[in-house]
Amino acid sequence: GAVVSQHPSWVICKSGTSVKIECRSLDFQATTMFWYRQFPKQSLMLMATSNEGSKATYEQGVEKDKFLINHASLTLSTLTVTSAHPEDSSFYICSATYSGTQYFGPGTRLLVL
Amino acid sequence: TQLLEQSPQFLSIQEGENLTVYCNSSSVFSSLQWYRQEPGEGPVLLVTVVTGGEVKKLKRLTFQFGDARKDSSLHITAAQPGDTGLYLCAGRGSSNTGKLIFGQGTTLQVKP
Repeated sequence: GAVVSQHPSWVICKSGTSVKIECRSLDFQATTMFWYRQFPKQSLMLMATSNEGSKATYEQGVEKDKFLINHASLTLSTLTVTSAHPEDSSFYICSATYSGTQYFGPGTRLLVL
Repeated sequence: TQLLEQSPQFLSIQEGENLTVYCNSSSVFSSLQWYRQEPGEGPVLLVTVVTGGEVKKLKRLTFQFGDARKDSSLHITAAQPGDTGLYLCAGRGSSNTGKLIFGQGTTLQVKP
């Protein structure tokens, strides 16, 4: 099957620091990956589309300088939350498309103190 | 802008009861997926429906795609506590970006 992993599964950081989250497709190659943010008991909110070898496409209202995305290989995309603040605390989930279906990673819980 | 309206957003029922979750839109989707998500985990794909009028069954879960491919429903028969979770419908839109459009989600609690 199509498996997507994320690392770390949870992270606690101080306000002002940067945090990097990795998303990997384990058994398939993904030219496109997606990054979502989710608040408790709410649906997923698409932040950006990560494209291998080119710039990410950000959704309206998402700061590209705040949420840096790098898709350097066909199996890895990274999301870096720069100068994190408490309001950035959330559950971040990535997905990758395989045979037309999006498969999701297990998510990363970020807590900014 | 394509939107998916999912209802109800919260549902608390007793074990053994039946329930139906709806996703509606004014737009046509090329396919629609249903996911189930447990707290602290990523969504897990339950089913993909592609053809208008299609019905798919997964044990006690029945999924239907509307004839016009604008709406879908998820029916659970004899719900069990293990069915508790967040159910999400997501439609693949008309653009070629591959982006999914998500409904608001339905939080289901099945009490023993």
